[in-house]
Order: sequence, then C-alpha cells, then structure tokens
Amino acid sequence: EVQMVESGGDLAQPGGSLRLSCATSGFTLSSYALAWVRRAPGKGLEWVSVISGSGAVTFYADSVKGRFIISRDNSKDIFFLQLNSLRADDTAIYFCARASSTVHPFDLWGQGTPVTVSS
Amino acid sequence: IVLTQSPATLSLSPGERGTLSCRARQSVASPGLAWYQVKPGQAPRLLIYATSTRATGVPARFSGSGSGTNFTLTITGLEPEDFAMYYCQQYGTSPPFIFGQGTKLDVK
Repeated sequence: EVQMVESGGDLAQPGGSLRLSCATSGFTLSSYALAWVRRAPGKGLEWVSVISGSGAVTFYADSVKGRFIISRDNSKDIFFLQLNSLRADDTAIYFCARASSTVHPFDLWGQGTPVTVSS
Repeated sequence: IVLTQSPATLSLSPGERGTLSCRARQSVASPGLAWYQVKPGQAPRLLIYATSTRATGVPARFSGSGSGTNFTLTITGLEPEDFAMYYCQQYGTSPPFIFGQGTKLDVK
C-alpha cells in the first residue's frame, strides 16, 4: 500500500527539541522530494521544509530556518524533521508529504502528528 | 506571493454547486496552482494541479479554472463527503510553497 505515516509528535517545552519521522511504503522514496507542512490550531496550512530526492537540496520556511532540520534515509524509506529551539507558535499538526520534485505539488500526504509546545 | 481565498466559509446543501475562489496578489507562474481537500484526522488530498488537471481518482464533479491572479475550484453536485476545508497552493518556482488561508465548506 502506498502510504506515509508520521510519528514523534509530543508535548515539548519551549526551547526544547523533538524529532519527527515519516515512514513510507509502496513507492521508491529516492524518486520523490519530501516535505513537511503544518497546521496550527485555528489556522491554515503552512509549508515548513522540503528536501530533494537525493537529499542534496533543502529549503525551509523563514519561520523555522536555523531551528529545524530536514533529512532523509532512502535506504530505510523514512525521512525526518528535527525541531530545535521550539516555540509556542510551533504548536501544530505536522504532515509529511511527497512531490515529484521540489517544484511540484504534494500528491501524497500522511495523516499528521501533533506537536504541542508549552511549559 | 499571497493567496487570498474566499469566502472563508461557504454553507451549501448536498446537490448544490460550490464555487471557491483563490486570488493571488501577483500573477502565478504557470502551471503552478493546486487545490487540496483537508478533513479532520485525515491526510490532506490533492484534488487539482496545474490549475485544472484532476489528480488521480478525483471525481469529475471537481473542476479547476483560472489564470494569472484569479483561480476557481468548482464542485458540481455536492456530495456529503465533500464538506471539508479547501486550500489553494502556489508551486512551480523555488520555495516557499504558499497556501491560501482556506475555505471551509460546510452543510447548510
């Protein structure tokens, strides 16, 4: 089955860290760019980060640049988002998604994992 | 690019036609406009890409149109499962990938 499944969401303190994972199946991971998108409570979708199929190219939203790190392991069909220096406004459901390239729409998504940043 | 969706909420009955608008502050480079459907607790779903191309498995009652700065998602003959949030998205150039703020389609 073609799917993407996020994990790792949790309650974290301001300034803390979390690592989100997205396990994939049913397709060749290296053929796709991979992204993270989030939806904060009461707000719309916000693109967070994207990584190219090889992992050589990454992009970040200004709101997370310097704090979050996207990475991938094509051999294990999984990719990650390391969240550092967490702030209250990082509270959101985090979705992983794939695209044919870093300039294509997201044609497959996971169901999301919740991250809450609070003391 | 800023994408503004309207209305914020659209209340309709099953069987009616829904028209959702997405306006860009500056022209969206071709082919880069997509629409997504988001339901609580579910994975978002790509409906339309390249302005008017339906994604795999998307019913024909969903259609997209527009160009430049004005884009529309039309749902002809609303089904109960169509009541959800809808987002437009600009893509096709270097990130960031911009989403609109969303339109909630709910039952009248």
